[in-house]
Amino acid sequence: QVQLQESGPGLVKPSEPLSLTCIVSGASVNSYYWSWIRRPPGKGLEWIGYVYYNGNTNYNPSLESRVTMSVDTSKNQFSLTLTSVTAADTAVYFCARGSIAVAGQLQSWGPGTQVIVSS
Amino acid sequence: DIVMTQSPDSLAVSLGERATINCRSSQSVLHTSNKNNYLAWYQHKQGQPPKLLIYWASDRYSGVPDRFSGSGSGTDFTLTISSLQAEDVAVYYCQQHYSAPWTFGQGTKVEIK
Repeated sequence: QVQLQESGPGLVKPSEPLSLTCIVSGASVNSYYWSWIRRPPGKGLEWIGYVYYNGNTNYNPSLESRVTMSVDTSKNQFSLTLTSVTAADTAVYFCARGSIAVAGQLQSWGPGTQVIVSS
Repeated sequence: DIVMTQSPDSLAVSLGERATINCRSSQSVLHTSNKNNYLAWYQHKQGQPPKLLIYWASDRYSGVPDRFSGSGSGTDFTLTISSLQAEDVAVYYCQQHYSAPWTFGQGTKVEIK
């Protein structure tokens, strides 16, 4: 059974980059679609984007200028970098796996990691 | 962007009674080539990651109890919990993945009356 676990700093200063990693166990990153989603406080879920195992990406246009996602097959993990963060980027960040053929069916999720943007 | 609107925002249902959540998309999420609705439902319990319940609008995901069912096509969809159990207390989200950016409804909070 696949398990995902987000890791990264819980506190990031404004204007600095936010970097998160999702460690995958029980499945190989060498297939499937791998997504990041966030939930700002008091709001609903927002899709950030996905990375395919071959490196292809699809980002939310609202964040595209600040987002980079990548897959590290040697470590069986994938990552998110969000640059120039502001308080509006404060959220719980989730990583998730799509199905093998359909990126948008988010079958497995990590527990989520809280990120606070503050000086 | 496709806007997903759920109703109601919250509902309280007695144990064993039916709970119905509606979701409307601002444009059709039915793919004409494969006849699939690119619509999923998730359950999000406090302190836990979201769980996929329904995909293709009406297919139950592996391990999901059969009291959960999805219906609808095009722009109007429904998630039904036929007999509410205590463990079903959660926020439920619909999501479209017909076109990027994928978008979620605002969520419906289900509580016990």
